[in-house]
Amino acid sequence: GAGVSQSPSNKVTEKGKDVELRCDPISGHTALYWYRQRLGQGLEFLIYFQGNSAPDKSGLPSDRFSAERTGESVSTLTIQRTQQEDSAVYLCASSLVGTGASYEQYFGPGTRLTVT
Amino acid sequence: QQQVKQSPQSLIVQKGGISIINCAYENTAFDYFPWYQQFPGKGPALLIAIRPDVSEKKEGRFTISFNKSAKQFSLHIMDSQPGDSATYFCAASRPSASKIIFGSGTRLSIRP
Repeated sequence: GAGVSQSPSNKVTEKGKDVELRCDPISGHTALYWYRQRLGQGLEFLIYFQGNSAPDKSGLPSDRFSAERTGESVSTLTIQRTQQEDSAVYLCASSLVGTGASYEQYFGPGTRLTVT
Repeated sequence: QQQVKQSPQSLIVQKGGISIINCAYENTAFDYFPWYQQFPGKGPALLIAIRPDVSEKKEGRFTISFNKSAKQFSLHIMDSQPGDSATYFCAASRPSASKIIFGSGTRLSIRP
């Protein structure tokens, strides 16, 4: 049915606060990805889920970042004690199969996070 | 070795002209090279992709040219239209890789 959805679309938070970003993948897509896109830059890989497990967390920039996925569906990216350098658009993508990134990834519209 | 270098950073083309965006990579293990198109406020969307066993792939007005020996690939947009104005990202991935490595993007503007 619908594409990948993300919420909220925009989030403004104060430095030091925790934030949670949500991703609803396309139904039936077993693979889910989180990316970060800083202003005017490319996409930076954060984490990959296959089902509910995360075999590749190599892109998470620090231990302030964590993510989980439940029911092979919704995923939440949590940033604790936010810093100004965390300001970016956080994009979620899903694909039918995860092994081999050559399967098309469908992106959501992103969450724009601004840390003041 | 994991980088994909993209140029130019921005590009202005007259309507009807040819838009050309170039990318280069180092890792010879990459075997999948997609191009993504992103409009403001939207997530990227797959535009066209190529594997290194062919030198060219064409879909409508969009063509990928691939030079395996030079480790370069490029996107050509023929008869460019104002609706093509967007940011374009090249990318690459390895077999069984869980992530795509993206270039830094090219902001394309087509002047009417």
